[in-house]
Amino acid sequence: AQSVTQPDIHITVSEGASLELRCNYSYGATPYLFWYVQSPGQGLQLLLKYFSGDTLVQGIKGFEAEFKRSQSSFNLRKPSVHWSDAAEYFCAVGASDSNYQLIWGAGTKLIIKP
Amino acid sequence: NAGVTQTPKFRILKIGQSMTLQCAQDMNHNYMYWYRQDPGMGLKLIYYSVGAGITDKGEVPNGYNVSRSTTEDFPLRLELAAPSQTSVYFCASSSTSGRWDEQFFGPGTRLTVL
Repeated sequence: AQSVTQPDIHITVSEGASLELRCNYSYGATPYLFWYVQSPGQGLQLLLKYFSGDTLVQGIKGFEAEFKRSQSSFNLRKPSVHWSDAAEYFCAVGASDSNYQLIWGAGTKLIIKP
Repeated sequence: NAGVTQTPKFRILKIGQSMTLQCAQDMNHNYMYWYRQDPGMGLKLIYYSVGAGITDKGEVPNGYNVSRSTTEDFPLRLELAAPSQTSVYFCASSSTSGRWDEQFFGPGTRLTVL
């Protein structure tokens, strides 16, 4: 069965420092990969997605993610975080045989230290 | 543009009561989804719809029902509330230009069943 693992439940980063959030998936073929962000009290918003092509994907708000097939990973990065980046981040995978379903990771809560 | 709206924001139900969670979108999206989000878990798909009059079960449909009589509205019905249905419920929608288009989420409904 497909699954998505986000190994870090919480991550604390100082404002201005770099950020990497980890995401690993299990799926045999090339997956469709997504990162969404959930700000406090709000719904989720798409940050970026990977379908094919260049394995380094740029998203909104200065985020990027790199697809590494050999490691089954799709890690999210940002070179310098801002206090407004404090939120929960979700990785998800869609598959061609899943009938429109996205399989979601459990999320990583990002805490920003001033 | 209101996007995806959900009502109510919060609700407390007693075991065995029923209620309808309302969801509406004004983006003329054909695809709509209902998810539940439990603490420490990723989102789970309850039901989805690919257009007015067409609905299908997701990963966790038991205890819920949906209908889609218009493009705009996609209500979720809980018939006999149980404590296991305590969760945060999100409605989302996406356009028809591609199967894995960005999903736009509502702000959520926090439901407690006592």
